[in-house]
Amino acid sequence: SAVISQKPSRDICQRGTSLTIQCQVDSQVTMMFWYRQQPGQSLTLIATANQGSEATYESGFVIDKFPISRPNLTFSTLTVSNMSPEDSSIYLCSVGFGTNQPQHFGDGTRLSIL
Amino acid sequence: GQQVMQIPQYQHVQEGEDFTTYCNSSTTLSNIQWYKQRPGGHPVFLIQLVKSGEVKKQKRLTFQFGEAKKNSSLHITATQTTDVGTYFCAGAATNKLIFGTGTLLAVQP
Repeated sequence: SAVISQKPSRDICQRGTSLTIQCQVDSQVTMMFWYRQQPGQSLTLIATANQGSEATYESGFVIDKFPISRPNLTFSTLTVSNMSPEDSSIYLCSVGFGTNQPQHFGDGTRLSIL
Repeated sequence: GQQVMQIPQYQHVQEGEDFTTYCNSSTTLSNIQWYKQRPGGHPVFLIQLVKSGEVKKQKRLTFQFGEAKKNSSLHITATQTTDVGTYFCAGAATNKLIFGTGTLLAVQP
């Protein structure tokens, strides 16, 4: 399966700042996704990153807060903007070959906001 | 909206005991997938079930997909300490994968 590198692995940020998380895959993939996982909770899909076009956001998530880029088939970024303590979470990127197909996850970014 | 619930939320077993987690969807699924997340780790894909009534085995793990394609189960025979983690089912429907609430398995040696 694809090797997925996610950076940074963790960060502690100040309230009101923004952080960009990078996801790099070692091979071209059709689909890239961004999830949020609160400690001890399930995974919630933030958006599907579309290559060359705007991401598709899930209910409750907006582009102004979570801008996403996907310039090619192996790379995507998620920015968490104007952070507040409620944004403290694990952010995961995943890849797959279809919206209903198995996904492979990066190691995640553990984000804490003070 | 579509929901995928799992029970139990948490289970603690003695090593060697069996374990089962159940997954129920509010809607009919095109397929169901199972993932394992070790403490501090990321979810790892285990298996995908597509057909109604399908049963698949991976060593001590047995996965079932219900006849109505709305429920599934994962059974582990003779648990080992390496089985510790959270098991998530993920239901595929309407071009989206919805992760279940998860079952945390603790195994006491």
